[in-house]
Amino acid sequence: EAGVVQSPRYKIIEKKQPVAFWCNPISGHNTLYWYRQNLGQGPELLIRYENEEAVDDSQLPKDRFSAERLKGVDSTLKIQPAELGDSAVYLCASSLPGQGGSYEQYFGPGTRLTVT
Amino acid sequence: GEDVEQSLFLSVREGDSSVINCTYTDSSSTYLYWYKQEPGAGLQLLTYIFSNMDMKQDQRLTVLLNKKDKHLSLRIADTQTGDSAIYFCAESRRGGFKTIFGAGTRLFVKA
Repeated sequence: EAGVVQSPRYKIIEKKQPVAFWCNPISGHNTLYWYRQNLGQGPELLIRYENEEAVDDSQLPKDRFSAERLKGVDSTLKIQPAELGDSAVYLCASSLPGQGGSYEQYFGPGTRLTVT
Repeated sequence: GEDVEQSLFLSVREGDSSVINCTYTDSSSTYLYWYKQEPGAGLQLLTYIFSNMDMKQDQRLTVLLNKKDKHLSLRIADTQTGDSAIYFCAESRRGGFKTIFGAGTRLFVKA
């Protein structure tokens, strides 16, 4: 079974440019997460989708970040315009409701963004 | 507030046991997780424990939970060089609406 797929793996852009990341979750996983992982830190949730509905986007900087999950499968995260502080690894994860209510998340390899 | 804290580094010799510790603040945490991250890769779930348990064992991994002290530990028996990675502690409430991750403990295994 294929895992969570993300592309591109690496992206270098100049500040003020737009950038987009793509994620394909594990087949059948209805919950999709976007995280940002700064250097030396753990992942921080940006947005969570249940199917095509964004159910938690409280940590998403909405002035420059946007996300979509049309048809409840693939998802795209966009930054426009990018700032130097956006340099990080952007991780996508997916899950199914686990036994007893736990959410076992499966992570993709991430997209390492460098803003110069 | 919600916070998960871990020590940043741990160095052990191959064959020894490793113990990685974590503390959390949210008393309503229901699930506690340990994830492993190797260089250039995403996080991989190693194991998790429900808050009404105090121990869980899975092959070389032993998780201990002290709910009173909000302390979680991961013990890796017979540590191998392939265990070198960053280990993240995480917690969530029932339903997993939000998972909070620690900053990770970098485990170095010396041959």
